[in-house]
Amino acid sequence: QVQLVESGGGVVQPGRSLRVSCATSGFFFKSYSMHWVRQTPGKGLEWVAVVSSDGTDEYYADSVRGRFTISRDNSKNMVFLQMNSLRAEDTAVYYCARVYCSTPSCSQGMDVWGQGTTVTVSS
Amino acid sequence: DIQVTQSPSSLSASIGDRVTITCRAGQSISNYLNWYQQKPGKAPKLLIYAASNLQSGVPSRFGGSGSGTDFTLTISSLQPEDFATYYCQQSYITPLTFGGGTKVEIK
Repeated sequence: QVQLVESGGGVVQPGRSLRVSCATSGFFFKSYSMHWVRQTPGKGLEWVAVVSSDGTDEYYADSVRGRFTISRDNSKNMVFLQMNSLRAEDTAVYYCARVYCSTPSCSQGMDVWGQGTTVTVSS
Repeated sequence: DIQVTQSPSSLSASIGDRVTITCRAGQSISNYLNWYQQKPGKAPKLLIYAASNLQSGVPSRFGGSGSGTDFTLTISSLQPEDFATYYCQQSYITPLTFGGGTKVEIK
């Protein structure tokens, strides 16, 4: 069945780095753009980043641009989020999600989500 | 960035009620508007995509309408499993943006 499984979350000090991963299975990965969305405890959803289906285009939220990097490995059906210079306000549950679209923005919605991985930035 | 404003932020309703949630975009986004349901401790679930298209497996009591800047999610007859938080999201242009959410509670 279709699955997205995030991993790599944890507790990290401010200013340090962390990489979270999303392993996918059960669908043709190369046909989908992949997104990261985060949710602060008790708060709403915030879109973080997207990578196009072929990995050539990346876009970021203003709050993470220059600090976070999204990438994908189409040979391993995985997507990654490298997070540098972490701040307390980056503390959140990070979800990966897929969209059936080759470009970063289109009319399709995020139809499958992972269960999330928790990142806590604290000294 | 395109602001997406949802209203109300919360509502109380009874089983069987008709519930309407609205979403307004800061500029025209055509029909690039999606609706999600989220229950506590769970990932969001796609209900409606492209403003009015019911995602596979979603009950037909959920419906979406609108285009341009104004959109509506309607639950025609509220069921116990529908008590959750609902989010709209524009997918017209990056950065993609979500509404602030509407929490639907039991009256």
